[in-house]
Amino acid sequence: DAMVIQNPRYQVTQFGKPVTLSCSQTLNHNVMYWYQQKSSQAPKLLFHYYDKDFNNEADTPDNFQSRRPNTSFCFLDIRSPGLGDAAMYLCATSSALGNEQFFGPGTRLTVL
Amino acid sequence: QKEVEQDPGPLSVPEGAIVSLNCTYSNSAFQYFMWYRQYSRKGPELLMYTYSSGNKEDGRFTAQVDKSSKYISLFIRDSQPSDSATYLCALKWLSGGYQKVTFGTGTKLQVIP
Repeated sequence: DAMVIQNPRYQVTQFGKPVTLSCSQTLNHNVMYWYQQKSSQAPKLLFHYYDKDFNNEADTPDNFQSRRPNTSFCFLDIRSPGLGDAAMYLCATSSALGNEQFFGPGTRLTVL
Repeated sequence: QKEVEQDPGPLSVPEGAIVSLNCTYSNSAFQYFMWYRQYSRKGPELLMYTYSSGNKEDGRFTAQVDKSSKYISLFIRDSQPSDSATYLCALKWLSGGYQKVTFGTGTKLQVIP
């Protein structure tokens, strides 16, 4: 089945220790998104890629970076995680901007 | 004022009840209206999608949009325990040439057998 896969499902890191979250898709979609979702809050868009074009939301901290080496994979790098970065990180894809987004299961990040 | 307001719940109903989930919004630029369902420890999945005022029905689910009041609703008929999840409204708008989506905080629904 075509799908969006996120690894790992659970990630524990230490304060200030860099961490990378992974997303892959078999849908061959052009657009990939990263969202941060804290408990009882709306998913918050961090950035998206349209093919290789990277678009950062204005309020996304510099601590968050992303890479998309090819159509299938996208990575979220958190350079120096703080306690406030503990959240669920959702990856999503769509065939074009504005079309239906398909979400992965998320990676729950814990910062100790 | 947030752009999208949604009561976080939780909302507990008995099996078979009609459920009403609602969002209000303030930005007239929102053009498309969606409902996502998110099960625990899973990503959101699209349930309903509409762009005009009025009702759209899909099985036990009905999405209602009132653009004049800036109010959207999702109704679930004959609710089942399997409907227990968080329901997020999502509104789409055009910004800087891109279509962007703003999510509500989600309403947690529990259907009790």
